[in-house]
Amino acid sequence: SYELTQPPSVSVSPGQTARITCSGDALPKQYAYWYQQKPGQAPVLVIYKDSERPSGIPERFSGSSSGTTVTLTISGVQAEDEADYYCQSADSSGTPLFGGGTKLTVL
Amino acid sequence: QLQLQESGPGLVKPSETLSLTCTVSGGSISSSSYYWGWIRQPPGKGLEWIGSIYYSGSTYYNPSLKSRVTISVDTSKNQFSLKLSSVTAADTAVYYCARHVHGGDQYNWFDPWGQGTLVTVSS
Repeated sequence: SYELTQPPSVSVSPGQTARITCSGDALPKQYAYWYQQKPGQAPVLVIYKDSERPSGIPERFSGSSSGTTVTLTISGVQAEDEADYYCQSADSSGTPLFGGGTKLTVL
Repeated sequence: QLQLQESGPGLVKPSETLSLTCTVSGGSISSSSYYWGWIRQPPGKGLEWIGSIYYSGSTYYNPSLKSRVTISVDTSKNQFSLKLSSVTAADTAVYYCARHVHGGDQYNWFDPWGQGTLVTVSS
């Protein structure tokens, strides 16, 4: 079955750049989306259609796509960015699926 | 501002049916642009899409859960509902409802989400 693969964890110091990857065979044909989830809270959309940023999401969040890998980049990481991040896409039939999630730790 | 709120029992016995309702406020569930979806998250684990419904009643489900899932909509109440039958401990999770922006096989995302409700399956 189709899967989206994310690293379990990423650690960065405040002010540095965090990059979280998501890999999947269908990503060249399907858009990717990214969600931020803080403990005890619902996920929040931070990137849609690979690189679009919803209103209200800080400019330091950006997305990019290259082949079978998409990347969420957080520039100038702040302590408040510590959270779990999930990528989401769809398989060839349009069925949504999520990656396993990446825990971002701000050192 | 669109808001979604889940409601329903927090405890369900094994083999019984889990039933949840999502109430949408600040917008109409009958909007032609959106589906409405259910997603769940077992404690300490990742997200799993359960299924989605259009205001007309058209549904599509996660193939892995399809045999046990029914999603329905009540446009008069601006609500949609989830039923999951024959539950086991593996169905214990936080259940979220969300607006599903869905354009065939072109695009597919969830925003915003409800706050979620924990459902525990236990005797």
